[in-house]
Amino acid sequence: DAKTTQPTSMDCAEGRAANLPCNHSTISGNEYVYWYRQIHSQGPQYIIHGLKNNETNEMASLIITEDRKSSTLILPHATLRDTAVYYCIVRVAGGGSEKLVFGKGMKLTVNP
Amino acid sequence: SAVISQKPSRDICQRGTSLTIQCQVDSQVTMMFWYRQQPGQSLTLIATANQGSEATYESGFVIDKFPISRPNLTFSTLTVSNMSPEDSSIYLCSTWTSGRQETQYFGPGTRLLVL
Repeated sequence: DAKTTQPTSMDCAEGRAANLPCNHSTISGNEYVYWYRQIHSQGPQYIIHGLKNNETNEMASLIITEDRKSSTLILPHATLRDTAVYYCIVRVAGGGSEKLVFGKGMKLTVNP
Repeated sequence: SAVISQKPSRDICQRGTSLTIQCQVDSQVTMMFWYRQQPGQSLTLIATANQGSEATYESGFVIDKFPISRPNLTFSTLTVSNMSPEDSSIYLCSTWTSGRQETQYFGPGTRLLVL
């Protein structure tokens, strides 16, 4: 089972920052938080990941709380093309496979 | 990053037949993963394929139904056998970036419709 919980959906106005929350209260000390998104019927796209420090790249910022029980993905200036299902994932290590277990994700709709 | 391609991109098949999906990575990788995404659902891991060993299947998936080959470090195939309409899904190939084991990348997917 997925170890994260996300809202089912969220709306955001174009040009505004989109803050996508995720809870992962049972995360272990050596588990990373990953964010992916899936634009309609395409393969999931990697966005960002982090362990405990905040991270930023050209796509987004990831803010992880000090207790690591939750995190927020920030899209600083949302565009219509950011409309997608966003997945917050805790990396599960099992049998050496380092597999990603996907939850239901959250549908972000960016409105004009 | 890893560039992953899949063939075919989509197919329509008759029940009872089998389809083999190919996955090609642009660099050598240790682990390759196959996922299924049923209509309106999230991704579910089918199996992990390591070169030179048997694939490891997740609960609910069996080798007879989803045989996997991994002949070298850049290629894998997934066969969906004896298909039924319930097998209609998107099938996705995935791998970690070579050498870093930090980021998992996905192929574009194969859209399968079984009639």
